[in-house]
Amino acid sequence: DIQMTQSPPTLSASVGDRVTITCRASQKIGNWLAWYQQKPGNAPKLLIYEGSTLESGVPSRFSGTGSGTEFSLTISSLQPGDSATYYCQEYKSWTFGQGTRVEIK
Amino acid sequence: QVLLLQSGAEVKKPGASMKVSCNTSGYTFTGYDLHWVRQAPGQGLEWMGRISPKSGVTAFAQSFQGRVTLTRDTSLATAYMELTSLTSDDTAVYYCARSRFSSTSSAFEFWGQGTRVTVSS
Repeated sequence: DIQMTQSPPTLSASVGDRVTITCRASQKIGNWLAWYQQKPGNAPKLLIYEGSTLESGVPSRFSGTGSGTEFSLTISSLQPGDSATYYCQEYKSWTFGQGTRVEIK
Repeated sequence: QVLLLQSGAEVKKPGASMKVSCNTSGYTFTGYDLHWVRQAPGQGLEWMGRISPKSGVTAFAQSFQGRVTLTRDTSLATAYMELTSLTSDDTAVYYCARSRFSSTSSAFEFWGQGTRVTVSS
């Protein structure tokens, strides 16, 4: 099974900060990596797929990079509405990372 | 627009079974895989399994093998997830989700609203 290791578990930053979340796969997955945003009480929302392709309607301050085993999600300028938990997911066997809770200071 | 509408919340006793439905609309039901994901209270997302609505072929996470059954009714554009031998560890919100692309390996673009299942004696 593919394991996904996401870090950090929590992140606290100020509005306007640049924040980065990383995700490591236990084996190469090409670019079969997605990022989701989940707010309390809601279903996850797809942000990025194929490692770096922004889903339609997602603000351009979100970006994804990486391939193989190392991936990252960056929010270039954190906004109040970005407070949420973010998950990576590989879709060779659909394993999710443990999640990163992003809080606004 | 694409909609995935799940059945309502359930309370089950330990040892019982549960069956959640995912009624879809707004797209060709047989064109995209449907997946099931669960989230225990305060925990992360856990992939359970997938079904191809076109062929009925299924795949499961190892931790659910033998305990979960995925089916579909193409005439109703509805998928079902049945989980047996419930324990308190199965208390969670269960989601269905649709693949973004018609290929097997795809991210999940559309999600149901979630079905809360509580297992308690």
